[in-house]
Amino acid sequence: QKEVEQDPGPLSVPEGAIVSLNCTYSNSAFQYFMWYRQYSRKGPELLMYTYSSGNKEDGRFTAQVDKSSKYISLFIRDSQPSDSATYLCAMSVSGGYQKVTFGIGTKLQVIP
Amino acid sequence: GAVVSQHPSWVICKSGTSVKIECRSLDFQATTMFWYRQFPKQSLMLMATSNEGSKATYEQGVEKDKFLINHASLTLSTLTVTSAHPEDSSFYICSADVGITDTQYFGPGTRLTVL
Repeated sequence: QKEVEQDPGPLSVPEGAIVSLNCTYSNSAFQYFMWYRQYSRKGPELLMYTYSSGNKEDGRFTAQVDKSSKYISLFIRDSQPSDSATYLCAMSVSGGYQKVTFGIGTKLQVIP
Repeated sequence: GAVVSQHPSWVICKSGTSVKIECRSLDFQATTMFWYRQFPKQSLMLMATSNEGSKATYEQGVEKDKFLINHASLTLSTLTVTSAHPEDSSFYICSADVGITDTQYFGPGTRLTVL
């Protein structure tokens, strides 16, 4: 079993839809959770960062962490064609220079 | 946010030659940088962790003699692919850790094609 599971998609939605992206994980020691967006042939771009459980909102993006279920989510409201990219979840055990474990990424396509 | 650059953005080389890829943190100092490899439709695979002034830590299965890493300053790490072969063709991405939160900022990546 992989430490981090993420559905690779692709996920196609119409413009304006609410998008829900998810990851599950098996290591209960993970405390730091991140979402990255990666456009084709580019490096990942940090979107959201959260520590422990709870919600965090930034503009159209909301990140949720449920440590009891080992489940994290990223919601995108009013999705735009420019949101079309691959979204990677990532997580780590503790602060400091520790290894970060990435999901495989979900490819999202927002159709105009 | 923190900016990380990589050079070159793409490179084509002949089999048997060596290729050097540079990773720079432009507006912050990075004690630790990471080198990843990404194959099509696959996630990032950590190759090694690079610490300024010390030897890099390689992940299991990564040949340290083939992938030479040098972190000579707080803003520069280099990855040299020695005696490159076609199977080394991939997308190489570096990242830098900005501090205690494990938030990594990634460079734009370097696409290596070995003929």
